[in-house]
Amino acid sequence: DVKVTQSSRYLVKRTGEKVFLECVQDMDHENMFWYRQDPGLGLRLIYFSYDVKMKEKGDIPEGYSVSREKKERFSLILESASTNQTSMYLCASSLYGGGSNYGYTFGSGTRLTVV
Amino acid sequence: GIQVEQSPPDLILQEGANSTLRCNFSDSVNNLQWFHQNPWGQLINLFYIPSGTKQNGRLSATTVATERYSLLYISSSQTTDSGVYFCAVVLTGGGNKLTFGTGTQLKVEL
Repeated sequence: DVKVTQSSRYLVKRTGEKVFLECVQDMDHENMFWYRQDPGLGLRLIYFSYDVKMKEKGDIPEGYSVSREKKERFSLILESASTNQTSMYLCASSLYGGGSNYGYTFGSGTRLTVV
Repeated sequence: GIQVEQSPPDLILQEGANSTLRCNFSDSVNNLQWFHQNPWGQLINLFYIPSGTKQNGRLSATTVATERYSLLYISSSQTTDSGVYFCAVVLTGGGNKLTFGTGTQLKVEL
């Protein structure tokens, strides 16, 4: 089974801190994604990546950046954390294109609180 | 961008009851998936169903792509079915980018 592992389950940071959220997948998937989940808004895509060193903005990239130096690891960076970035962050991976099932697999999430 | 609407937003059932969850989407899609998020936050893929009907145990799903909707049926509900059900789609020509609906919060009571 594909495993997507997020480094922290709960995280508390101060306003203005630089925050790194790490995500690692073990099945050689090309695609990796970062979503945030807020009540009443569902999951919204922040950034995604189709390959190493490649990144594309999702629907709500402001205030975030990402890094993908290795295929299995996709990091989300909050350059200067703010209270409106308090949320649940979910990482996912999938095979690249084609086939009948893109097979998204999600990590268990990181609940970030910015105080 | 594509709009994905789910209904109802909240649902409370007695154990053993049946239910239907609906997902409407505003544009042509080439990928539609249903997910269940358990009370601990883990998202599990239930169905990949861009068209047609599939069944898996007490769950089944139907997508009518030409009319831009999908239905998830839960029969003989159990307390373990509680959680949030999400529909997610990939716009035709949209690569692998999944867009999620806002979800249906389901609670199954004894």
